[in-house]
Amino acid sequence: AQSVTQPDIHITVSEGASLELRCNYSYGATPYLFWYVQSPGQGLQLLLKYFSGDTLVQGIKGFEAEFKRSQSSFNLRKPSVHWSDAAEYFCAVGFGNEKLTFGTGTRLTIIP
Amino acid sequence: DGGITQSPKYLFRKEGQNVTLSCEQNLNHDAMYWYRQDPGQGLRLIYYSQIVNDFQKGDIAEGYSVSREKKESFPLTVTSAQKNPTAFYLCASSSGDEKLFFGSGTQLSVL
Repeated sequence: AQSVTQPDIHITVSEGASLELRCNYSYGATPYLFWYVQSPGQGLQLLLKYFSGDTLVQGIKGFEAEFKRSQSSFNLRKPSVHWSDAAEYFCAVGFGNEKLTFGTGTRLTIIP
Repeated sequence: DGGITQSPKYLFRKEGQNVTLSCEQNLNHDAMYWYRQDPGQGLRLIYYSQIVNDFQKGDIAEGYSVSREKKESFPLTVTSAQKNPTAFYLCASSSGDEKLFFGSGTQLSVL
């Protein structure tokens, strides 16, 4: 069965510093890959998605993610974080018409 | 503006009571989903529906029921058989490319 691992439960970053959130997946083929963000008490918003083609994907709010087939990873990056980026981030995978599988999330704290 | 509306924002359930969470979308999406979110466990799929009058169980369907009588509506009932219902419930819809649009959620608590 497919699975998604987000190894970091909680990450703290200084404002202005760079950020990388890790996501690894286990799947029989290259799935569709997604990153979602959730503010407290709210629903999830799509940051970016990878279906095929260029392995570096640009998203909203200055985020990007790189698909690495050899490592089964889809890590999320941002060169300089802002206080408003504090939230919970979820990686998700799916394939075709199958339902998505979500990781357990990484909570991001920003310190001044 | 198109979107997904969940109501109520907060809901309290008494012992032995069934409660229904509302989910309405005006995005003209065929597929709709219900997820349960518990701290540290991510999102777990309860039920999903790919088309009107049809729905399938997800990973944790026991103690829940749904209906899909209209394309825009997908209500979730938390029955008395669900012994641990306290959680944040999220409804989502999709046009078929796995990109999900989420509502703002309902926090269900037990009195």
